[in-house]
Amino acid sequence: DGGITQSPKYLFRKEGQNVTLSCEQNLNHDAMYWYRQDPGQGLRLIYYSQIVNDFQKGDIAEGYSVSREKKESFPLTVTSAQKNPTAFYLCATASGTNEQFFGPGTRLTVL
Amino acid sequence: AQSVTQLDSQVPVFEEAPVELRCNYSSSVSVYLFWYVQYPNQGLQLLLKYLSGSTLVKGINGFEAEFNKSQTSFHLRKPSVHISDTAEYFCAANTGGFKTIFGAGTRLFVKA
Repeated sequence: DGGITQSPKYLFRKEGQNVTLSCEQNLNHDAMYWYRQDPGQGLRLIYYSQIVNDFQKGDIAEGYSVSREKKESFPLTVTSAQKNPTAFYLCATASGTNEQFFGPGTRLTVL
Repeated sequence: AQSVTQLDSQVPVFEEAPVELRCNYSSSVSVYLFWYVQYPNQGLQLLLKYLSGSTLVKGINGFEAEFNKSQTSFHLRKPSVHISDTAEYFCAANTGGFKTIFGAGTRLFVKA
């Protein structure tokens, strides 16, 4: 069953805490992305990776970090430096035609 | 810079009525265009895409869109909507690189 999995579905963070969101894919796509979604603002790009061991900052990378040690995995860490992390986070991959495939999302809430 | 503008933030419509969700893009080069749908608390699903060829593109769930290069538009249409079409719809554009630009979304609300 091919696809993208994100975990957890819901995540709660305390002030000053780092949390890591998981994204795994078995579509064999090279490119992977993290987006943040806030109500009425569409999708904003946090980080993207074209190949293993390489990644680039998107439009709102401050307060976030990523790694790409395996083709299948692209975890996102929300650090304590991100002052307003409450949002819906979406992971995606891209095919050769640049069509993007999305995971089910993780909703992060700051307590 | 490349941008995508969805002209309506919300579109209310009665069940079985036709609907058009408007999208304009800005790009001076060839562009790939996409429409995605998002149901509450879920990821985005592809409805349809324009890569090249025929300007009228048909997608899933009875949706279609027309690529108009002179007007730089890619409006989404459905002749008769159902309650189950209530969702948020995103237009997106890609000029062949690794970044896809998304519009802010249009919330379609279908009323009985």
